[in-house]
Amino acid sequence: GIQVEQSPPDLILQEGANSTLRCNFSDSVNNLQWFHQNPWGQLINLFYIPSGTKQNGRLSATTVATERYSLLYISSSQTTDSGVYFCAASYNQGGKLIFGQGTELSVKP
Amino acid sequence: NAGVMQNPRHLVRRRGQEARLRCSPMKGHSHVYWYRQLPEEGLKFMVYLQKENIIDESGMPKERFSAEFPKEGPSILRIQQVVRGDSAAYFCASSQPGQIQNGYTFGSGTRLTVV
Repeated sequence: GIQVEQSPPDLILQEGANSTLRCNFSDSVNNLQWFHQNPWGQLINLFYIPSGTKQNGRLSATTVATERYSLLYISSSQTTDSGVYFCAASYNQGGKLIFGQGTELSVKP
Repeated sequence: NAGVMQNPRHLVRRRGQEARLRCSPMKGHSHVYWYRQLPEEGLKFMVYLQKENIIDESGMPKERFSAEFPKEGPSILRIQQVVRGDSAAYFCASSQPGQIQNGYTFGSGTRLTVV
């Protein structure tokens, strides 16, 4: 099955800094998503991005499907960005998502 | 659209009791997925169901765990004779085939604590 690996495992930033989170996957995928799990445990769907680039405010994501990686960019980070960021992929439409282990982000004021 | 609704949000059970977790999918969605998140870990797939049918249960423990998604009503994840190791957050997601251009949407989860 698909292996999904995320890096770095932990990241500490000062408010206002930028960051890049990486997700590598082992096989061709039809679905790739980025999620933010906030400190209350809720999973927020950030991007559905099996290929290409998308932007939403201070966040953007790029997936290079042929090279089997995806990047999540956070610019001008805020304390509310703290939490765990998960990448998840599946190799068929409607199939189960395989999650990476996450990147735990802490943004300090 | 109320999104994916899970209840209860928190559930405490004594060892040996049964736990029932409920998931109501988004309106118009007929497919449901259950995931488990152990403390300090990522989410692990458990089971994928459509109405009255189990599509993929490859992530479900063989004993004590069962899931259903009846024609009417929510999907139920049932854990019999709970043990401390079942303590985790259980998340549900829903989808409608051919309409996942926005990806899967997850509920807020049920946090099960076994004492």
